[in-house]
Amino acid sequence: AQKITQTQPGMFVQEKEAVTLDCTYDTSDPSYGLFWYKQPSSGEMIFLIYQGSYDQQNATEGRYSLNFQKARKSANLVISASQLGDSAMYFCAMRGGNTNAGKSTFGDGTTLTVKP
Amino acid sequence: DTEVTQTPKHLVMGMTNKKSLKCEQHMGHRAMYWYKQKAKKPPELMFVYSYEKLSINESVPSRFSPECPNSSLLNLHLHALQPEDSALYLCASRENINTDTQYFGPGTRLTVL
Repeated sequence: AQKITQTQPGMFVQEKEAVTLDCTYDTSDPSYGLFWYKQPSSGEMIFLIYQGSYDQQNATEGRYSLNFQKARKSANLVISASQLGDSAMYFCAMRGGNTNAGKSTFGDGTTLTVKP
Repeated sequence: DTEVTQTPKHLVMGMTNKKSLKCEQHMGHRAMYWYKQKAKKPPELMFVYSYEKLSINESVPSRFSPECPNSSLLNLHLHALQPEDSALYLCASRENINTDTQYFGPGTRLTVL
């Protein structure tokens, strides 16, 4: 079985500062993918960043980077230079390999509030 | 183009009504998904279609009936729903069930009276 744990229900950050959202995972699959999604109050799930289990380098997409520590089973999202528009709920998710093909498991989410 | 579209955006229905939710993608993806999401909770997987065949049904009540008429279109037929079925229903797609990035539509906010 797959499991994603996000231990921060809510986080606050000052505008223009960096913030790290935590995510740990558990899986028995040797191959898997890890994702972060942003969900504003409008409801749309916006794909932010992806990390494959065999990728040697940490993924980056603009102001988003994924701090992947495989031995610790963690995949933290780092948002640099926070903007007011970053206020939203953030979900960490995992796609399993062959034993869980087709399924994505989501964490409970972290609500990020960016303060002006 | 990484767009998944969903209609309608909002839907209010009574417990005796029959309605349908529609999802469409033109990215050539062959895996399509329905999720149900309650407020401030993560999405819960309902159904997965792979190459137009139902691949996963997460023990969803029969009042929800999915349909995949072709590779671009996914429907969710609703009948005799309960008020607790009120939620945001999200459609998603990926290239196939073994590839990685999954793209979501904007969702349909369903209210059952």
